[in-house]
Amino acid sequence: KAGVTQTPRYLIKTRGQQVTLSCSPISGHRSVSWYQQTPGQGLQFLFEYFSETQRNKGNFPGRFSGRQFSNSRSEMNVSTLELGDSALYLCASSLEGSLLGNTIYFGEGSWLTVV
Amino acid sequence: SQKIEQNSEALNIQEGKTATLTCNYTNYSPAYLQWYRQDPGRGPVFLLLIRENEKEKRKERLKVTFDTTLKQSLFHITASQPADSATYLCALSSSTSYGKLTFGQGTILTVHP
Repeated sequence: KAGVTQTPRYLIKTRGQQVTLSCSPISGHRSVSWYQQTPGQGLQFLFEYFSETQRNKGNFPGRFSGRQFSNSRSEMNVSTLELGDSALYLCASSLEGSLLGNTIYFGEGSWLTVV
Repeated sequence: SQKIEQNSEALNIQEGKTATLTCNYTNYSPAYLQWYRQDPGRGPVFLLLIRENEKEKRKERLKVTFDTTLKQSLFHITASQPADSATYLCALSSSTSYGKLTFGQGTILTVHP
């Protein structure tokens, strides 16, 4: 079956702009999580959605937001982009989230460069 | 605050040897510990999961141990091959972390022919 699909794969934005990233989870998975990966900070948790509800949130400013649709697809948005937002943004899906030790599957990520 | 440390930033070994990677954590009571492999420019790929009440897990050439008293996990790759060269990440989650994994910084493993 198809894996986690993220679009776009690469994008370049200017400081002050906003960006929307999309994620289609594995069919049947209801939990979608988002992570930011940078060389300095590594992989950091942004937020998790399950059945259209945000259940968990990391320590990121309010400029980072997300949502999940009824078909489990998810989007994340970053407003007023800063240079430090340049990163690989990873989406991950699982059946129920990390509860019960469900395996979490990652997409290939969206590379965001802010100039 | 919660802290996860992977003992080495980089590990170099010869083909055929066993690679051993270490993951230590503090201020955390994880219910599950997972190991992932990440290749450059790609997303992490799940390898193994071990629960807090399990001591050891195996999958083909991979073995993971979990010692909640020492707050440490060891990840072994036996009969290593150059194709095993990648970054290996350990990640912890609790029973209420709702999709959140807390990752270590990763260890870059290079297997030389």
